[in-house]
Amino acid sequence: SQTIHQWPATLVQPVGSPLSLECTVEGTSNPNLYWYRQAAGRGLQLLFYSVGIGQISSEVPQNLSASRPQDRQFILSSKKLLLSDSGFYLCAWSVQMYTGELFFGEGSRLTVL
Amino acid sequence: LAKTTQPISMDSYEGQEVNITCSHNNIATNDYITWYQQFPSQGPRFIIQGYKTKVTNEVASLFIPADRKSSTLSLPRVSLSDTAVYYCLPKEYNQGGKLIFGQGTELSVKP
Repeated sequence: SQTIHQWPATLVQPVGSPLSLECTVEGTSNPNLYWYRQAAGRGLQLLFYSVGIGQISSEVPQNLSASRPQDRQFILSSKKLLLSDSGFYLCAWSVQMYTGELFFGEGSRLTVL
Repeated sequence: LAKTTQPISMDSYEGQEVNITCSHNNIATNDYITWYQQFPSQGPRFIIQGYKTKVTNEVASLFIPADRKSSTLSLPRVSLSDTAVYYCLPKEYNQGGKLIFGQGTELSVKP
């Protein structure tokens, strides 16, 4: 069966510090991968999505970046965090030929102080 | 991508049937309608998907009229554990790429 893991689960970082959130998917090949952010309540904002290794599409211009070094690994990074980067970050995957279902990870809660 | 409109919040009582309607006036011919449920501090979870008419699974029913400009998620006999945010997403079938979540509907079930 397929599983998705992301870490760390909780992170408290000072403004200006770097960030790295990791996500891995197991049990499937060539998935579509996504990073979403949910700030202060509901409403998921799509940050990045990837349809293959090295193929990253950015939805929101900001100080975040994403990389996909391996087929089932998706990394969200920042060189210098802002207060506005605080939120609940969710990684998700779907099959390459999308059938309507996204599978989400457990989420990473980031607090920038 | 079709823009969606849902009520921001709804209240219900245990045992009642709850219907949440989503408007998607500019839905494309190839778009399917997908609904997700999200509990606090968790990622959304897929509930149901349909193209038109009615779809039913063990969790919910989805009603889509002939013009497909709206869809209604029906939750039979809700319980306290159904308290969550519900999102509808039109999605072009068999296409990868971005999936956009709206604000969703916050359902509160009371005893």
